[in-house]
Formats: sequence, C-alpha cells, structure tokens
Amino acid sequence: KAGVTQTPRYLIKTRGQQVTLSCSPISGHRSVSWYQQTPGQGLQFLFEYFSETQRNKGNFPGRFSGRQFSNSRSEMNVSTLELGDSALYLCASSSGTGASMKAEAFFGQGTRLTVV
Amino acid sequence: GEDVEQSLFLSVREGDSSVINCTYTDSSSTYLYWYKQEPGAGLQLLTYIFSNMDMKQDQRLTVLLNKKDKHLSLRIADTQTGDSAIYFCAEGSGGYQKVTFGTGTKLQVIP
Repeated sequence: KAGVTQTPRYLIKTRGQQVTLSCSPISGHRSVSWYQQTPGQGLQFLFEYFSETQRNKGNFPGRFSGRQFSNSRSEMNVSTLELGDSALYLCASSSGTGASMKAEAFFGQGTRLTVV
Repeated sequence: GEDVEQSLFLSVREGDSSVINCTYTDSSSTYLYWYKQEPGAGLQLLTYIFSNMDMKQDQRLTVLLNKKDKHLSLRIADTQTGDSAIYFCAEGSGGYQKVTFGTGTKLQVIP
C-alpha cells in the first residue's frame, strides 16, 4: 500500500510569490490534514479536509488556503509569500470517518519551502 | 486553547531504557499519540492510546497515561542508536483530525 505522497519535496520561492503544494493520501483515506513545522513554532495545524469539505481550520491568515478533490488528493496554496512562511509543510491522511475518528494519521515526508 | 509540553532533550546510553514525558491541558482529549521524526523525514506514528486507557504496550514501547494529572509518557526499552530521533507527543480532542503537537523531545542515544 503506497504511503502519503507530497510533491514537490523541495521548493524555493521569492517573497510575494504564491505556491501550491500537493498531497496524495493513502488509497481509501478520505481525510487530509496539513501542518506547518518550523523550528520556532513547532508543528502547527493548518486545516483538515474530508470529502472535499474543510472541516477544521487552524489559526493561520487567509493567505493560506486549501482544497480537496473528489479523489481525496489535496492541495494547499500560500499567496503573497513572506520570509516567515519558510517551513516544512506536512500532510497527513487518515480514514477520518464521521464522529468516531480513526486514531491513525499517516504523514508524508513533507515539502520543504524556502522563501528568499 | 490546547497546549502540549515536552522536555526538549534526552540523552541515554544504548541498551538503557528511555522515558519521554509529556503534559497536556485539554481534558477532552480523545486520543494521545507518540510520533517519531528522523532527520529530513516526515512523522511516523509510533503508537497511540485512547483516553480511557491507562497503559498500552507494543513491543519495546510502553505508553502510560495519567488522565488525572494529564501526563503521558513513552518508555522505550533497550534503546538502540536507531531510536535517535525527535519524539512528538500529540493530542486529538476533536473529531476532525485537529491534532495538537508538543514541541518534540530530541532523543540522543550514546553507543
């Protein structure tokens, strides 16, 4: 069974640009969550999608957005990049069905974004 | 809001046991997790415990939960150099995969 795939693995962008990151969850998983990992702030929750709907959102500005497609693949977009957006962006997938949340969330290797 | 705290660093000798501690604030936590992150890699789920359990054992790993004190620990028996990594404690209190992570504990195993 293939794991969670994130593309690209590494990305360098300049301030003011926008970026789109992609996450393909484990086959059959319908929930995709996104996290930002930085040395200063640690791992912070961005948002979670299930069946193409955003169910939960962390405390990030509106420059951070996401979406999920009918095949459960998800993208996140960051517009007007700032230096502080440099981070490892991690995606996690789980079956995430209904109220009885499955415990296991499997993470991808992440996309390392550097803003210069 | 939810908060999860861990000590930043732990050093042990190969073959000894490691105990990584974590405290959390959200009393409605449903699941508590331990993840491992090796350099340049994503997070690997090691184990998790449901909030109505006190203990869970999985091979070399033992998780202890004190719900009254909101304290979680991960014990690694017979620690190996391959166990060197950052270990994250996390809690999930919602039904929608919003997981709050601790700062991570860097485990250094000395040969």
